[in-house]
Amino acid sequence: EDQVTQSPEALRLQEGESSSLNCSYTVSGLRGLFWYRQDPGKGPEFLFTLYSAGEEKEKERLKATLTKKESFLHITAPKPEDSATYLCAAQLSGNTPLVFGKGTRLSVIA
Amino acid sequence: EAQVTQNPRYLITVTGKKLTVTCSQNMNHEYMSWYRQDPGLGLRQIYYSMNVEVTDKGDVPEGYKVSRKEKRNFPLILESPSPNQTSLYFCASSPQGIGGYTFGSGTRLTVV
Repeated sequence: EDQVTQSPEALRLQEGESSSLNCSYTVSGLRGLFWYRQDPGKGPEFLFTLYSAGEEKEKERLKATLTKKESFLHITAPKPEDSATYLCAAQLSGNTPLVFGKGTRLSVIA
Repeated sequence: EAQVTQNPRYLITVTGKKLTVTCSQNMNHEYMSWYRQDPGLGLRQIYYSMNVEVTDKGDVPEGYKVSRKEKRNFPLILESPSPNQTSLYFCASSPQGIGGYTFGSGTRLTVV
């Protein structure tokens, strides 16, 4: 069964304390790996798409990377406004639906 | 502004009373999808549509219906809601089912 597992479930950081979130996947024929940010009571907001191992994408304090088995979302010098739940999702070959992980709930304390 | 619009945002209903949650997108996307989100279970797909008049079941389709008569609209229908359908529902769209989805703001449904 295709699965996407995120760790940790929750992460608490001090402002400025860099860290990484992990997303491991066990899908064959990965077409794309996607990262989203979700604020409480709101819909997920698309952040990045990664298509092949070795690929990296950056946006402000966030950088996403991809290997053959997992993806990392690196957060550099986070600020309180980065607090949110971060979701990753994998898509198989073809136009198959996204398989979402359960998310990592990030809290950044000032 | 490019967006996916869901209505209503909040809904409380009684068991068995038919309801429809509307979803509309203004980006001319071909692909649309419905998800439900529950604590500890994450986002699970209910139904999706690759184009007008084409719909397919997702992971948890039981108790739901959808239709895609127009490209921009993808309503979710609960013919006889039950308490286990209490959840947070999201509609999403993308150009061709590939890549990042644009999600709506969500509909919080409570069935009593």
